Amino acid sequence: GAVVSQHPSWVICKSGTSVKIECRSLDFQATTMFWYRQFPKQSLMLMATSNEGSKATYEQGVEKDKFLINHASLTLSTLTVTSAHPEDSSFYICSARKLAGGPQVYEQYFGPGTRLTVT
Amino acid sequence: AQKITQTQPGMFVQEKEAVTLDCTYDTSDPSYGLFWYKQPSSGEMIFLIYQGSYDQQNATEGRYSLNFQKARKSANLVISASQLGDSAMYFCAMREAGDFNKFYFGSGTKLNVKP
Repeated sequence: GAVVSQHPSWVICKSGTSVKIECRSLDFQATTMFWYRQFPKQSLMLMATSNEGSKATYEQGVEKDKFLINHASLTLSTLTVTSAHPEDSSFYICSARKLAGGPQVYEQYFGPGTRLTVT
Repeated sequence: AQKITQTQPGMFVQEKEAVTLDCTYDTSDPSYGLFWYKQPSSGEMIFLIYQGSYDQQNATEGRYSLNFQKARKSANLVISASQLGDSAMYFCAMREAGDFNKFYFGSGTKLNVKP
């Protein structure tokens, strides 16, 4: 299988503090990982693409200084929400890309998500 | 323009019946992939089925099948013999060959299976 884990699964932090979310591919190497944000009853919105050993590519409108992404190894990417505010409260989901099949099939495996609440 | 459109925010189906969840897409890339994911209340995204733009046959995975109509740019998910555990959000997604890194997700359909 292809398992992606996230830690923590939920976190509550105070406004102004920073929180780090880890995303790990447990049984495969992932040169590319992705971070999504999902508000209640809404779809997933891609925040950034994380490549091992290089800087992340952020989607338009996502503050790179606020959402720090580090892809330090082929199995670990971290998202740090800096100086968190209540509006950052959301469900954050990571996914990892595993090359599979022919050239058109690049599968993404999703982590279970992290629910962040900023008080 | 929306890349993926899911026009059914909520659906009800009786247990053991079949249900079709609609998805239309918009792309000018001749090579693309279409995905369906299930998201239960726990939040985890569960991959259900994949259809490549060049695949000649509709994809099937157990009780899930994808009704792929390329000319109409639709990729509807059919769930046969619905079960109570099928109650969840369902997302249609697309990835274009021109940018494999980007998944475009639809707004989702909330499916409720009634006993």
